[in-house]
Amino acid sequence: AQKITQTQPGMFVQEKEAVTLDCTYDTSDQSYGLFWYKQPSSGEMIFLIYQGSYDEQNATEGRYSLNFQKARKSANLVISASQLGDSAMYFCAMREGRVRSQGNLIFGKGTKLSVKP
Amino acid sequence: NAGVTQTPKFRVLKTGQSMTLLCAQDMNHEYMYWYRQDPGMGLRLIHYSVGEGTTAKGEVPDGYNVSRLKKQNFLLGLESAAPSQTSVYFCASSYWGAAGETQYFGPGTRLLVL
Repeated sequence: AQKITQTQPGMFVQEKEAVTLDCTYDTSDQSYGLFWYKQPSSGEMIFLIYQGSYDEQNATEGRYSLNFQKARKSANLVISASQLGDSAMYFCAMREGRVRSQGNLIFGKGTKLSVKP
Repeated sequence: NAGVTQTPKFRVLKTGQSMTLLCAQDMNHEYMYWYRQDPGMGLRLIHYSVGEGTTAKGEVPDGYNVSRLKKQNFLLGLESAAPSQTSVYFCASSYWGAAGETQYFGPGTRLLVL
């Protein structure tokens, strides 16, 4: 079974609108971390946001927020006020194990977001 | 502050040749990582380090070796390159702060093994 599932291979959003990228995860650990990354067509990998399993508040970073629903094992990324520069591939990832452990990051297959002007 | 840099940016090797990829960070981070990314996929962890002088295996360590002799540098070695090692290699470093973990990535190294 896949540990990280991103069900949207591709998505379109109108500029200035908000968009939600889905991510569900599967783990039996109580302690884990969830990550989102952006990879533009230029190829670099950009870390966006982190959510710890024990964090009660949803993580936010500028226009990015992580909608963390622990019971549903869901960690959706919300991008507010989309910009043309947001067009990229977005990856969700999980690291199992205790906080500050440096175990393996498991990645989803990604969602390609295209922002329309 | 250059962040995370990688050398070289692109390399072509013949099967059986060896090479070393260099990753350097100037942010005094303890944690450093080497990942590979194959077409249409996310990253897979090769090796990582939690501090100077320490390294550990990740998900796909076979065929690679690493060293962390200095805190700012993390070297990835291929002793005998194989076509299956054709990939894009990313180095990253991270730290833990009030908001949890924050990661920084290098620009990547494209490696083609013929």
